[in-house]
Amino acid sequence: GAGVSQTPSNKVTEKGKYVELRCDPISGHTALYWYRQSLGQGPEFLIYFQGTGAADDSGLPNDRFFAVRPEGSVSTLKIQRTERGDSAVYLCASSLRPGDTGYTFGSGTRLTVV
Amino acid sequence: AQSVTQLGSHVSVSEGALVLLRCNYSSSVPPYLFWYVQYPNQGLQLLLKYTSAATLVKGINGFEAEFKKSETSFHLTKPSAHMSDAAEYFCAVNYGTGTASKLTFGTGTRLQVTL
Repeated sequence: GAGVSQTPSNKVTEKGKYVELRCDPISGHTALYWYRQSLGQGPEFLIYFQGTGAADDSGLPNDRFFAVRPEGSVSTLKIQRTERGDSAVYLCASSLRPGDTGYTFGSGTRLTVV
Repeated sequence: AQSVTQLGSHVSVSEGALVLLRCNYSSSVPPYLFWYVQYPNQGLQLLLKYTSAATLVKGINGFEAEFKKSETSFHLTKPSAHMSDAAEYFCAVNYGTGTASKLTFGTGTRLQVTL
């Protein structure tokens, strides 16, 4: 597609529930990144994919969070047993190849855990 | 560890006035540096980037930034503010390629433009 697409744009879920957030990167981009932006803060790195594999998952806060990118294109961020502290905007970005500078961000998914 | 400091969480300028948003990074190794803008309920849009070429970088919407290694700074400027410049601005740093290509962001500066 023309840009990075993230769905849903908004998600409200109850504490303890499971959620999936989807990212569709720019066609042909091999590198994909997930960031989390809490209110009043800058985005914080979560995980980076190079192709199908997670090259760096050092930003995932705990084992309730994991992400997949099975075919090297669309990625899904999965959060189990959601907590109120997980409420944030989850941003996805992609770049043509790893190490490209200034990659393209999607509009984000605003997750609210009530 | 790499870090980015943005001085001033809120900056207010009059329309037509100079915009100066400050960013300092921590490193002895020149990094790649970026400025992003975020409008309400939107994603991040790249304004400009420094990748070890010219130290004065020109970006979109009339913005520019100068890399000063001696000051470890990458301040963003615009000669004349416009109402449409009101947004959140983020400075970010990237120290390398491959698995080190993740960005570290500052906490952001909210720019307000008044009449």
